[in-house]
Amino acid sequence: SQQGEEDPQALSIQEGENATMNCSYKTSINNLQWYRQNSGRGLVHLILIRSNEREKHSGRLRVTLDTSKKSSSLLITASRAADTASYFCATDPYSGGGADGLTFGKGTHLIIQP
Amino acid sequence: DGGITQSPKYLFRKEGQNVTLSCEQNLNHDAMYWYRQDPGQGLRLIYYSQIVNDFQKGDIAEGYSVSREKKESFPLTVTSAQKNPTAFYLCASSIDLGHNTEAFFGQGTRLTVV
Repeated sequence: SQQGEEDPQALSIQEGENATMNCSYKTSINNLQWYRQNSGRGLVHLILIRSNEREKHSGRLRVTLDTSKKSSSLLITASRAADTASYFCATDPYSGGGADGLTFGKGTHLIIQP
Repeated sequence: DGGITQSPKYLFRKEGQNVTLSCEQNLNHDAMYWYRQDPGQGLRLIYYSQIVNDFQKGDIAEGYSVSREKKESFPLTVTSAQKNPTAFYLCASSIDLGHNTEAFFGQGTRLTVV
């Protein structure tokens, strides 16, 4: 079952601008992860934020997590044409100790206009 | 060169045929996964395996089968019982099924029924 839902579904911005995409989920989680997918390729892991963390940075990426609102955001600063891709959030649901694998949202398609 | 390899990249199947998609990893990961991705959609979990000779159904296992005879290999068979098999199939692996681990993806196999 898909738990994460990204918003917006598509986003087009000018190169150099910041891009923000959001993810909402429904159940308790152990962590939330963001992945990137270039067209027709596999997914690449970007960043993992644990349920007890509120913010995490990696290069031009900034991720926030609000467990009270069951939401996360991914900010890409100073966007580049090469950032054009689909971005997915994935949740690692808390299931009482077991693990069933990540559940993915439908993604945000980001287009960076040169 | 460590990684996860899927083959073939493109696969065409006639109605009523079974086909097998290959997935091999040399990352020494215990856990492996198969996901299906339809256009504009997120990833849906087909099967996952925590350890050799063990695997579990995901959300959409009907019409698919898997085996895990070796740690490195997790082939997926799309059977004739799968009514709508045309999709992009992604294999992934992680260190284990424990929490707070990232998934590594292959480049995918695009299956088309002709």
